Amino acid sequence: QQKVQQSPESLIVPEGGMASLNCTFSDRNSQYFWWYRQHSGEGPKALMSIFSNGDKKEGRFTAHLNKASLHVSLHIKDSQPSDSALYFCAAPDTNAYKVIFGKGTHLHVLP
Amino acid sequence: GALVYQYPRRTICKSGTSMRMECQAVGFQATSVAWYRQSPQKTFELIALSTVNSAIKYEQNFTQEKFPISHPNLSFSSMTVLNAYLEDRGLYLCGARRDGGQLYFGEGSKLTVL
Repeated sequence: QQKVQQSPESLIVPEGGMASLNCTFSDRNSQYFWWYRQHSGEGPKALMSIFSNGDKKEGRFTAHLNKASLHVSLHIKDSQPSDSALYFCAAPDTNAYKVIFGKGTHLHVLP
Repeated sequence: GALVYQYPRRTICKSGTSMRMECQAVGFQATSVAWYRQSPQKTFELIALSTVNSAIKYEQNFTQEKFPISHPNLSFSSMTVLNAYLEDRGLYLCGARRDGGQLYFGEGSKLTVL
C-alpha cells in the first residue's frame, strides 16, 4: 500500500521568503501526485498536480518531482501571509482508486 | 470548472443521534466518490470509496452499518453517521474524481457530538 510522508510538520517563513515543503512516497509505480492547501475552517483545495519528472511552475508555486528518489516537493516563492495554511501531499494508492494523503505541513508566513 | 458542494457545513448533535451529509459534484461526472474523516489532529482517514459500477468499499474500522452511503448517480452522494458518539466527531469530507483524475473536495461537514 502507498505510504506518503511529509516534512517538516511545521514551517515558519517571513513574508517574501521561500517556503519549501517535502513529500516522499513508497510506490515506485505512482504516476501522479497532488498538492492540496487547507485554510482553517475550510475543506482542502487542490493546488497543483504533477505527472512528469522535473519542475512544474504555476505563478509563485513550483512543484518538483523525482520519481527515482520517490520525492515530490512544493516551493512557494515570495510567500504571503495568505499562504499560511495546512498543505497536504497526496498520491494514488496501488489500486489507483484510493488517494493517500500525508499528514500535512503547517505553513506560517509571518508579516 | 469542477466543484464539489457539501452540506451541511456544521452539525451539532446529541450523543446517539444521527447526522446525514450530502455531496454534489458540479461541472463533471464523479466516477468515484471517497468519504474521508479528518480528525482534530488534521489527519485523513478514508471511510469508504464508491466507484461507478462497483460496490461501495469500506475501509477497516468503518462499516456500512455505521456509515451508510448512497451514490445513486454520477453527481450525488450522501453519507449518514448513525448513532454518533464523541469518537465520531471531526470534519467529514467528500472527495469526487473523474476517471482517476484529480480529487476535488467539498468544504466538509463538521460534526460536533454533545
